[in-house]
Amino acid sequence: DVKVTQSSRYLVKRTGEKVFLECVQDMDHENMFWYRQDPGLGLRLIYFSYDVKMKEKGDIPEGYSVSREKKERFSLILESASTNQTSMYLCASSSSVEKLFFGSGTQLSVL
Amino acid sequence: SQKIEQNSEALNIQEGKTATLTCNYTNYSPAYLQWYRQDPGRGPVFLLLIRENEKEKRKERLKVTFDTTLKQSLFHITASQPADSATYLCALSSVSSASKIIFGSGTRLSIRP
Repeated sequence: DVKVTQSSRYLVKRTGEKVFLECVQDMDHENMFWYRQDPGLGLRLIYFSYDVKMKEKGDIPEGYSVSREKKERFSLILESASTNQTSMYLCASSSSVEKLFFGSGTQLSVL
Repeated sequence: SQKIEQNSEALNIQEGKTATLTCNYTNYSPAYLQWYRQDPGRGPVFLLLIRENEKEKRKERLKVTFDTTLKQSLFHITASQPADSATYLCALSSVSSASKIIFGSGTRLSIRP
């Protein structure tokens, strides 16, 4: 089975800190995604990567950046964390448009 | 803009009954419609995919229908069990790009014994 591993389940940071969320997949998938999930708003795409060093902005990229230096790893960076970035962050990978594999999520709290 | 709507209210069903969840969409012509299950504090898990040219898909106790005229999908769980309690998300995707996958906000299903 595909495994998508997110580095932290829970994270507490202070306003203004630089935050790194890491995601690793083990199935050689080309596509990797970062979503955030908030109650009532569903999953919103932050960034998408379709290959090493390739990325596309999603619906809500402001305040975030990403890095994909290796195929299996996709990092989400909050340059200067703010309280409105408190959320559940979900990483996913896929080889097609038909099925996404998600990690367990990182619940980030920014105080 | 593209929009997906799922039952906003939680659904409470007696064990053994059939649970039916609805997914409606607008301003989108999906090639595929997917259903995922999400347990509290976990990431979504893929359940089923149905293509635009398919009317119905089954997998064990699950059945999905897809009506591209009504722009609606129905997700059925027959002989429901308490272990089926979770939030169910529908998602639409096109063939053009994986970045165009959009998700509904989900319906919380509770099966009472």
